[in-house]
Amino acid sequence: ETGVTQSPTHLIKTRGQQVTLRCSSQSGHNTVSWYQQALGQGPQFIFQYYREEENGRGNFPPRFSGLQFPNYSSELNVNALELDDSALYLCARSGQGNNEQFFGPGTRLTVL
Amino acid sequence: AQSVTQLGSHVSVSEGALVLLRCNYSSSVPPYLFWYVQYPNQGLQLLLKYTSAATLVKGINGFEAEFKKSETSFHLTKPSAHMSDAAEYFCAVSERAGNMLTFGGGTRLMVKP
Repeated sequence: ETGVTQSPTHLIKTRGQQVTLRCSSQSGHNTVSWYQQALGQGPQFIFQYYREEENGRGNFPPRFSGLQFPNYSSELNVNALELDDSALYLCARSGQGNNEQFFGPGTRLTVL
Repeated sequence: AQSVTQLGSHVSVSEGALVLLRCNYSSSVPPYLFWYVQYPNQGLQLLLKYTSAATLVKGINGFEAEFKKSETSFHLTKPSAHMSDAAEYFCAVSERAGNMLTFGGGTRLMVKP
């Protein structure tokens, strides 16, 4: 049990729509990262938030955006959905000492 | 820039046999290295991590990995495979504590009875 929860579990959207995915952590660690895992591939880093500020970004376009709230919960927003956005989206919190990241179960997004 | 290569997208072993999953990395600084396991329709579970302490790292479920700087490798082993070990395994590298993880493409481990 990593203490990281994500909602919803599954989501189906159509091309061009917008989606918001949510992540919360029981332990309240102040660093949260988001990853995209396409089918059959390893996760790819989208961005990281530290104390409500973006603290690093991977090679994703600006239509991928995020928020972190004072209670350390986080949102990932994706605008103008494309078919290639279909993937498992993973949220991770940093552990004590920040040496490792603990992942939630993910949200499976399907774009039709 | 950092990168991870996992040799063999699929590995099949018999129950009770040695498990060896290969990982090579590149990093411009001394790396932090991790192995994660992913069961179907689940998130990632941390198996073990290397953070510049002992080069032989022991993890959960009987897995261990050895950091070899000269070979830029961090291979994962387990002496005796169990059916429950069947899953996808990912090697990952980070150049700073708590910083972004770069993952390999994963290795699917299949265990035959």
